[in-house]
Amino acid sequence: EVQLVQSGAEVKKPGESLRISCKGSGFNFTTYWINWVRQMPGKGLEWMGRIDPTDSYTSYSPSFQGHVTISADKSISTAYLQWSSLKASDTAVYYCARQAWGGSPNDYWGQGTLVTVSS
Amino acid sequence: DIQMTQSPSTLSASVGDRVTITCRASQSISSWLAWYQQKPGKAPKLLIYKASSLESGVPSRFSGSGSGTEFTLTISRLQPDDFATYYCQQYHSHPYTFGQGTKLEIK
Repeated sequence: EVQLVQSGAEVKKPGESLRISCKGSGFNFTTYWINWVRQMPGKGLEWMGRIDPTDSYTSYSPSFQGHVTISADKSISTAYLQWSSLKASDTAVYYCARQAWGGSPNDYWGQGTLVTVSS
Repeated sequence: DIQMTQSPSTLSASVGDRVTITCRASQSISSWLAWYQQKPGKAPKLLIYKASSLESGVPSRFSGSGSGTEFTLTISRLQPDDFATYYCQQYHSHPYTFGQGTKLEIK
């Protein structure tokens, strides 16, 4: 069974760092890209960027470039999304989703990780 | 960036109705368009890909059409389980972008 299992909810203070994870199972992790999508409270979906776990090549949305880092460890089939300095505006649910290749949609999604940033 | 515009933002309908949601791209995306359904507190679920291909396991009452810049999602006979928010997404070029969503409500 294909699964993307994300790490649990986090509560952080502004300025703190954070890394959340997305572990794939039931499929060959290196034959899929992993995308990250943000959903702020009560709002729509925003594509943040994606990584190819084979070579860790990344592509970011200009809206998120420089504020987050996407990485992956193919040896443990896990992708990461990290912040070095959180802001209150980073409060959101973050989803990972797999994509077979550039001409494919996001067919399986993680359950989402709620990140709350508050002083 | 390619802008995706969905309409309407909210749609009120009854069980058994036929409904259509429209998605317009700011430039041609060929057929590289997906439709997702999202229910509160849940991850999005893929319904349609490549504009008109039905994802495995999705009921046949869902259908998609269009190419270039104009796309539609049609639900032929609404069921109670269909009341949710629907998003289109282009995956023609980075950054992939979503429409703002259409909330389908019970009339």
